[in-house]
Amino acid sequence: DAGVTQSPTHLIKTRGQQVTLRCSPISGHKSVSWYQQVLGQGPQFIFQYYEKEERGRGNFPDRFSARQFPNYSSELNVNALLLGDSALYLCASSLQGNSPLHFGNGTRLTVT
Amino acid sequence: QQQVKQSPQSLIVQKGGISIINCAYENTAFDYFPWYQQFPGKGPALLIAIRPDVSEKKEGRFTISFNKSAKQFSLHIMDSQPGDSATYFCAAFYNQGGKLIFGQGTELSVKP
Repeated sequence: DAGVTQSPTHLIKTRGQQVTLRCSPISGHKSVSWYQQVLGQGPQFIFQYYEKEERGRGNFPDRFSARQFPNYSSELNVNALLLGDSALYLCASSLQGNSPLHFGNGTRLTVT
Repeated sequence: QQQVKQSPQSLIVQKGGISIINCAYENTAFDYFPWYQQFPGKGPALLIAIRPDVSEKKEGRFTISFNKSAKQFSLHIMDSQPGDSATYFCAAFYNQGGKLIFGQGTELSVKP
């Protein structure tokens, strides 16, 4: 079975622009979460969605938003990009909201 | 407090030796405690996870030891191999909000 797939793998944007990152969960998984990983640190929680509803939100500004579609795939949107948004954005899926998370390989976002 | 403290920051082990990484937490509301392995340019891969009602779990060369009263848990890698060289993250899952709290990571290097 395919794991969690994310697109694109790399992205370069300019300050002030907007970006949309996409994630397809493992087949059968109904929960999708998003994490931000800055170089040299552990991932930081951004959002969790379960059955298309937001179940949790981390300490990120309102510039960050997400949604989950009927097929359980998900998008993460970031508006008004800042240099500090440069990071690896990870998507993870799980069977249910409290099941172990399986991560994709991420989208490397560089903001210049 | 929703923090997970991980040590050491880096670890060098000879091939065939035992690698030990330790983590400590404060919040007693965590549901389960996973360990992830991350190679450069890849997302974290789930290695093994344990729930707080179990004191030890073993999968192949990887063992989690869990001490609920001390709020500590550790990962033991037996017969360490050069292919185990990676960054390891402990984490704790907080069901309220559905988020994983990660430790700071341990960079493991196994010398041949």
